[in-house]
Amino acid sequence: AQSVAQPEDQVNVAEGNPLTVKCTYSVSGNPYLFWYVQYPNRGLQFLLKYITGDNLVKGSYGFEAEFNKSQTSFHLKKPSALVSDSALYFCAVRVASGGYQKVTFGTGTKLQVIP
Amino acid sequence: DTEVTQTPKHLVMGMTNKKSLKCEQHMGHRAMYWYKQKAKKPPELMFVYSYEKLSINESVPSRFSPECPNSSLLNLHLHALQPEDSALYLCASSQERREQVYEQYFGPGTRLTVT
Repeated sequence: AQSVAQPEDQVNVAEGNPLTVKCTYSVSGNPYLFWYVQYPNRGLQFLLKYITGDNLVKGSYGFEAEFNKSQTSFHLKKPSALVSDSALYFCAVRVASGGYQKVTFGTGTKLQVIP
Repeated sequence: DTEVTQTPKHLVMGMTNKKSLKCEQHMGHRAMYWYKQKAKKPPELMFVYSYEKLSINESVPSRFSPECPNSSLLNLHLHALQPEDSALYLCASSQERREQVYEQYFGPGTRLTVT
């Protein structure tokens, strides 16, 4: 089965420090991977996606993600965390379902940026 | 316009009531989705519409009935719900073309409470 795993329920980082939110994937075939962010009582917002090509993907709000095929990982990174980055982050993978495509989300990682 | 709108924002209903959730997008997207999200959990896919046809039903109970009247609108009709159906209901949309990988755009959600 195609899935993603987020091993950390919560990540704490000091404002101004680099942040990493981890994601590993398990897929057969080519992996199509996404990161979304959710602020309290809001819908999800798309940050970035990996389809093919460069292993370093740049996205919205200064976020980037590194695709590593040998480690089956797709970690989300930002060089300098802001307090406003505090939110719930979901990694996701596209899976096939009866000829159609759908997205399966990881369990989510709460990012807390400490002033 | 990159917005998905959902109404109402909040809904409280009894177990014998009938109500509907509405979702609208004007981005020309031909795939639309309903998700259910419990607190601090990832969204769970309920239904997918592709070109106004139901393409995926994730074994959702019949007390939830989706409808896609046209390419911009998506409804979720609710009847005889249970208290455990209380959750945030998210609508999303995306482009839809064969062999292409697209991100989803989410609405802010409807917070549903079943009493």
